[in-house]
Amino acid sequence: DTAVSQTPKYLVTQMGNDKSIKCEQNLGHDTMYWYKQDSKKFLKIMFSYNNKELIINETVPNRFSPKSPDKAHLNLHINSLELGDSAVYFCASSPRGGGEKLFFGSGTQLSVL
Amino acid sequence: GESVGLHLPTLSVQEGDNSIINCAYSNSASDYFIWYKQESGKGPQFIIDIRSNMDKRQGQRVTVLLNKTVKHLSLQIAATQPGDSAVYFCAENKEGAQKLVFGQGTRLTINP
Repeated sequence: DTAVSQTPKYLVTQMGNDKSIKCEQNLGHDTMYWYKQDSKKFLKIMFSYNNKELIINETVPNRFSPKSPDKAHLNLHINSLELGDSAVYFCASSPRGGGEKLFFGSGTQLSVL
Repeated sequence: GESVGLHLPTLSVQEGDNSIINCAYSNSASDYFIWYKQESGKGPQFIIDIRSNMDKRQGQRVTVLLNKTVKHLSLQIAATQPGDSAVYFCAENKEGAQKLVFGQGTRLTINP
């Protein structure tokens, strides 16, 4: 069973469109995250949620809106997609709070044309 | 500000040799460090971690060394195998902080 699963694996779309990426974890963890990995492989945190409460918002444009319906799910909705949004987006979870070992999903490669 | 960096972006070693991947960190208040391995098309996978009250920690074929004096972290992989080819990241956390800060990454290539 996949511990942290995110869908879709690949997402190709046009500029200006709105898209969502879904993430689910079955580890019973309290905290979930979205990380963005750019073309140079640099991993940067975007958001974290603890038990559905927003903990970290790392100056991400407000076109990005995370939603956590329950502590096992953290979805990422992106409005008005731009070319610079092209990247790999990783969902992750950790047992309690931030700064501890993260368990990552397999990533969603977003390509904005 | 906080930053975690790597000395070498790429590293090639012969299969069977030992490899050492280095990481420099700038936040002397960091007290927890992790190494992750990322294979192509996959998410980062945990390899080993170490707290600042330790200098060395060993796992299966991997050893992490922490030198707090010079703020340096290294990952040693013994008897490298083709499956060790990946990008390796170090990450740090300061006690009380809410996030891991990742370094640039080093691409390790194992030559047959």
